[in-house]
Amino acid sequence: DAGITQSPRHKVTETGTPVTLRCHQTENHRYMYWYRQDPGHGLRLIHYSYGVKDTDKGEVSDGYSVSRSKTEDFLLTLESATSSQTSVYFCAISEGGYLMNTEAFFGQGTRLTVV
Amino acid sequence: GNSVTQMEGPVTLSEEAFLTINCTYTATGYPSLFWYVQYPGEGLQLLLKATKADDKGSNKGFEATYRKETTSFHLEKGSVQVSDSAVYFCALRVDSWGKLQFGAGTQVVVTP
Repeated sequence: DAGITQSPRHKVTETGTPVTLRCHQTENHRYMYWYRQDPGHGLRLIHYSYGVKDTDKGEVSDGYSVSRSKTEDFLLTLESATSSQTSVYFCAISEGGYLMNTEAFFGQGTRLTVV
Repeated sequence: GNSVTQMEGPVTLSEEAFLTINCTYTATGYPSLFWYVQYPGEGLQLLLKATKADDKGSNKGFEATYRKETTSFHLEKGSVQVSDSAVYFCALRVDSWGKLQFGAGTQVVVTP
């Protein structure tokens, strides 16, 4: 299994509070991604990173920010959590985005509930 | 834009039945196509992939053929087992950043 650890695995938070989810990899892969999974939508990309301090927005980035200060860590922050951000969040890594046949490896997910 | 459409589930089958999950896509350029599987309580695992037209991906008895003319990538398995019960996602990738576009997922339930 690819070395991806997400923390926490479960979290319940109150509306309006900031929340940070962490993704840690031991594979030294360049590319990292945050997706959210919701019924009927599959997985949707929130933000991604193509190197240390290099990040960009995905399809559903509003209300989220990210940071990558080290190759191995990619943080997702909900600046002021809302109930619509209740979801399961997955981190993924990829060795080389420019290699079209490089697969993405996924973490175990973080279940976030905003009450 | 890019999109992936999967048949809705849940799909309920008896053990040893034939499974087909339809997947069609819309994409600019020349996408790579993937099937991912998610077992209960777990993350996604790559099941199979195809990177160009007419390629056939296969793994664990599952197969899918990249059909450019019909923009499809249907997943098939000839004889399912209870252990195949999971959610299956079709996905495509079109850019050099490795970003994936997923379908909504299809839950498959296999009964003994």
